[in-house]
Amino acid sequence: GAVVSQHPSRVICKSGTSVKIECRSLDFQATTMFWYRQFPKKSLMLMATSNEGSKATYEQGVEKDKFLINHASLTLSTLTVTSAHPEDSSFYICSAQEVGRTEAFFGQGTRLTVV
Amino acid sequence: GQNIDQPTEMTATEGAIVQINCTYQTSGFNGLFWYQQHAGEAPTFLSYNVLDGLEEKGRFSSFLSRSKGYSYLLLKELQMKDSASYLCAVRLYNQGGKLIFGQGTELSVKP
Repeated sequence: GAVVSQHPSRVICKSGTSVKIECRSLDFQATTMFWYRQFPKKSLMLMATSNEGSKATYEQGVEKDKFLINHASLTLSTLTVTSAHPEDSSFYICSAQEVGRTEAFFGQGTRLTVV
Repeated sequence: GQNIDQPTEMTATEGAIVQINCTYQTSGFNGLFWYQQHAGEAPTFLSYNVLDGLEEKGRFSSFLSRSKGYSYLLLKELQMKDSASYLCAVRLYNQGGKLIFGQGTELSVKP
């Protein structure tokens, strides 16, 4: 149990376009999901907390207009990188926590390359 | 602010024991997690400590001292497949499960 599916696993896009990344909890309901960004050989940096049915809470320094987060249902959160630029190239990972469980479970991650 | 420190790199020999330390200074504490991450993959859960003491799970053990802001992950009978990055993460109190991660320790296991 407690499977989190993230899609796509890899995406290459042109500079200026937008990319949507999906995070789904397959066998549990997640009222809260988290979005992280990870640079090579660095740790996970929390970008935002996504709450079902309400606006996401962004960490300091993260542009909310650039990284649009939508948590439309208890099993789906999406991150849209708008007007992507090469500096947005990174590994993006979501996590979800089931109510009553201690640990958060991570999606497989999305490798975004902006050319 | 939040601060979590781990050594950047460690090297150990197959079959040996290695201890990865983590110190933290955070505003509020509601548990400490250890995750394993192989290159290009998502982190996988290893252990969780919220009370002081040692938690043992097979070849992996994790220790916590809340008064010292200190934890360690102990890996026994090292195998080559244990070569990975090990992430220490603190869950903040009353922030909906938010985790703050350390920079990770890259462990290389040599034959």
